[in-house]
Amino acid sequence: GAVVSQHPSRVICKSGTSVKIECRSLDFQATTMFWYRQFPKKSLMLMATSNEGSKATYEQGVEKDKFLINHASLTLSTLTVTSAHPEDSSFYICSARAPGRPYEQYFGPGTRLTVT
Amino acid sequence: AQSVTQPDIHITVSEGASLELRCNYSYGATPYLFWYVQSPGQGLQLLLKYFSGDTLVQGIKGFEAEFKRSQSSFNLRKPSVHWSDAAEYFCAVGVQTGANNLFFGTGTRLTVIP
Repeated sequence: GAVVSQHPSRVICKSGTSVKIECRSLDFQATTMFWYRQFPKKSLMLMATSNEGSKATYEQGVEKDKFLINHASLTLSTLTVTSAHPEDSSFYICSARAPGRPYEQYFGPGTRLTVT
Repeated sequence: AQSVTQPDIHITVSEGASLELRCNYSYGATPYLFWYVQSPGQGLQLLLKYFSGDTLVQGIKGFEAEFKRSQSSFNLRKPSVHWSDAAEYFCAVGVQTGANNLFFGTGTRLTVIP
């Protein structure tokens, strides 16, 4: 149980275009999902917390207009990188927290974004 | 403020040797502690967690970790390392913020040599 999927696993896009990444909890309902960014050989950096039915909470320094997050249902959160630039190239990982399970997060397999 | 320190950036061990990865945390309240493993290009897999109770916790793949409150540590151990254990290991502390965030250490890369 507690499987989180991400789609796509890899995406290459041209500079200036937008890319949407999906994060799904497959066998449980997630009221809260998290989006992380990981730079090469670095740890995970929390970008934002996504709550179902409300606006996401962004961490300091993360541009909310650039990284659009939508959590429209209890099993799906999306991250849209708008007007992507090469510096947005990174590994993006989502996670989901199951209700009633404090501090536990189940992680998706990640999405490798390359902006050319 | 909370923080997690993994003092070893890279560790190399021989296959079959024992392993200990260090993790120290700073947090004012009772911590929730986790160890995750990440293979190259993959997401994070939970190895084990500590919430309360027995301070020695067993995880998957033969790993264990011991919570030592006096030392603010949660070191990960394995008695005999396998080549498939080569990966990046992250220690994390869960904190009581509104979002129940996890704070990660910088990770320790494990290389296993034959």
